[in-house]
Amino acid sequence: DIQMTQSPSSLSASVGDRVTITCRASQGISNYLAWYQQKPGKVPNLLIYAASTLQSGVPSRFSGSGSGTDFTLTISSLQPEDVATYYCQEYNIAPQTFGQGTKVEIK
Amino acid sequence: QVQLVESGGGVVQPGRSLRLSCAASGFTFSSYAMHWVRQAPGKGLEWVAVISYDGRNKHYADSVKGRFSISRDNSKNTLYLQMNSLRTEEAAVYYCARGDIVGAILPFDSWGQGTLVTVSS
Repeated sequence: DIQMTQSPSSLSASVGDRVTITCRASQGISNYLAWYQQKPGKVPNLLIYAASTLQSGVPSRFSGSGSGTDFTLTISSLQPEDVATYYCQEYNIAPQTFGQGTKVEIK
Repeated sequence: QVQLVESGGGVVQPGRSLRLSCAASGFTFSSYAMHWVRQAPGKGLEWVAVISYDGRNKHYADSVKGRFSISRDNSKNTLYLQMNSLRTEEAAVYYCARGDIVGAILPFDSWGQGTLVTVSS
C-alpha cells in the first residue's frame, strides 16, 4: 500500500502570509494527488486534484504542484477563512490513502 | 445538485453489527464508484472501502477486511456499509463519497454530511 506523509502536522501563520504544505508518497503516484480542506465541524471539501488543478469555486490563492512522489499545496496569502485541516490523498489505487493532515491556524 | 445523505449511525455495543446507508441523488449513481471514509473524534480521515460502479469490484482497508462489507443497489441509488464485529476504536463519523466515473479516475468530489457511529458498552 502507498503511504502518504504530510508535513508539517500543524502551522501558525499571519494573515497575508504564504503557506506551504508538503505531501510525500511512498512510491510514485504520477499526478493522482488531491488536496482537501476540512474546516472545524465541517465535511471535507475538494480543493485541488490531478496535483495542480483547482476545483471549481476554489479561490485562486490556493495552488498545487508536484508529480511522482513529492507534492505541495500553497496558499499564497493566508486568510482567516482558511483556518482548517488540509489533507492530501492518493486517489488512483485502493486503498486511496490520506495523509495525516496539516492543521493551519492564524497567528 | 449532487446530494449524498448517510443514515444508520447510532450507539452499538462492541462486537455487534450496524448497517449504514447512503442515499444518492442529483447524478447518475450507477456510473460512479463510491467510497466510505471515516473520521474518529479529533483524528484524521481514514479510507474504509470502495465499490465499483456496477458492484463487481470491492476493496477494503486492511483494518476492516473480513468484518465490513460494502454494497450498492443501483435501482435505489443507495450505497451500504455492513459493519460486523465492531470495535470501540471504530467509533467515528462515517462519510460516503463519490469517486471514479466509468472511464475516468476522479478524486472524491462530493461527500455526505456523515453519520456518527458510537461503539460503547
